[in-house]
Amino acid sequence: AQSVTQLGSHVSVSEGALVLLRCNYSSSVPPYLFWYVQYPNQGLQLLLKYTSAATLVKGINGFEAEFKKSETSFHLTKPSAHMSDAAEYFCAVLDFGNEKLTFGTGTRLTIIP
Amino acid sequence: GAVVSQHPSRVICKSGTSVKIECRSLDFQATTMFWYRQFPKKSLMLMATSNEGSKATYEQGVEKDKFLINHASLTLSTLTVTSAHPEDSSFYICSARARTGSYNEQFFGPGTRLTVL
Repeated sequence: AQSVTQLGSHVSVSEGALVLLRCNYSSSVPPYLFWYVQYPNQGLQLLLKYTSAATLVKGINGFEAEFKKSETSFHLTKPSAHMSDAAEYFCAVLDFGNEKLTFGTGTRLTIIP
Repeated sequence: GAVVSQHPSRVICKSGTSVKIECRSLDFQATTMFWYRQFPKKSLMLMATSNEGSKATYEQGVEKDKFLINHASLTLSTLTVTSAHPEDSSFYICSARARTGSYNEQFFGPGTRLTVL
């Protein structure tokens, strides 16, 4: 079974600092991986996705993630944090067989002014 | 494109009553929709897969008689929480599946906050 692990349930960074949210995956086949953002009392918004093309994926709002097979990782980064980035972030992996998404436990990002 | 709506966004009900939540794909047809439940400060847990014109497939541990799912058209799936109790209070999110490129992507609704008194 496929799974993702997000290290760090809470991450705090200063405004303007680098954002790094960690996600490691477990999959017996080449995975499709996703990062979603959730603002309070809202649904999920897709930030970016890896679908076996370029290993460095650029998403919305200045975020990007790099797929590293050797490290089984798909960490999310943003060079300079903005106050509006404060939210919950979820990493997810797609099961091709049943097309279900399995989500990580989430990382709450806090931006310090 | 690929917009999914949910109605209502918030609902408060008394214990023992039933509540219906609608999930609509506004600009595309979705043969498959998914229903998730999210507890406070927790991740999303898949409850069931809703297929148009057939019975829903429930995940292990989800009571199908309590959480009734109907997917009567290609743009609408409904989740009915029957005889709701306080422990059913949660954030319910749906997604609708659409083909994008090499795979079927899920597009998420804005969620419904259910509070059972």
